Amino acid sequence: AQSVTQLDSQVPVFEEAPVELRCNYSSSVSVYLFWYVQYPNQGLQLLLKYLSGSTLVKGINGFEAEFNKSQTSFHLRKPSVHISDTAEYFCAVSDGGTNAGKSTFGDGTTLTVKP
Amino acid sequence: NAGVTQTPKFRILKIGQSMTLQCAQDMNHNYMYWYRQDPGMGLKLIYYSVGAGITDKGEVPNGYNVSRSTTEDFPLRLELAAPSQTSVYFCASSQDRGGRNTIYFGEGSWLTVV
Repeated sequence: AQSVTQLDSQVPVFEEAPVELRCNYSSSVSVYLFWYVQYPNQGLQLLLKYLSGSTLVKGINGFEAEFNKSQTSFHLRKPSVHISDTAEYFCAVSDGGTNAGKSTFGDGTTLTVKP
Repeated sequence: NAGVTQTPKFRILKIGQSMTLQCAQDMNHNYMYWYRQDPGMGLKLIYYSVGAGITDKGEVPNGYNVSRSTTEDFPLRLELAAPSQTSVYFCASSQDRGGRNTIYFGEGSWLTVV
């Protein structure tokens, strides 16, 4: 079975500061990893995903994430945040095995960017 | 770009009532899903479908039913609504089998059972 743990439920930061949102996963097979963002009163949309190849993945809005297989982590980073980055962020894992097509989501991290 | 469309956006139900949440996608995706999101929690999979006529249970299927008569539509039926079903419901779709695919979400349906 696969699982995802987002280590921080809330992350407050000031505008223009760097931020890291942490995600650890567990799975018995090779995984695909995703970060989704949910703005208030909206559905989730994809920020970035890791499928294979380079462990550093770049996404939309200046976000990037690094896949670390030995530490089973997929942390999301941004060097300088904006007020508009305030949102809920979800890490998700899926695999190509028996769970193909079904993703497991973490409980989310609320990023609040203060002026 | 319609994507995944859900209706209604908001609904208040009385205990014991029934209702259907409608979901349609125009991306010709084979996979469709229903999730619920409780406050401070992640998404829990209720039901999913791998194609027209094929549905299967997710993590939390009790109290719900689904059908998939066409590729485009995937309605979720709540029978005998209970307060525990107060939640935000998201319909979603993805292109194909395999965990590589991005999941596309609707904007959500806020349901309150009183």
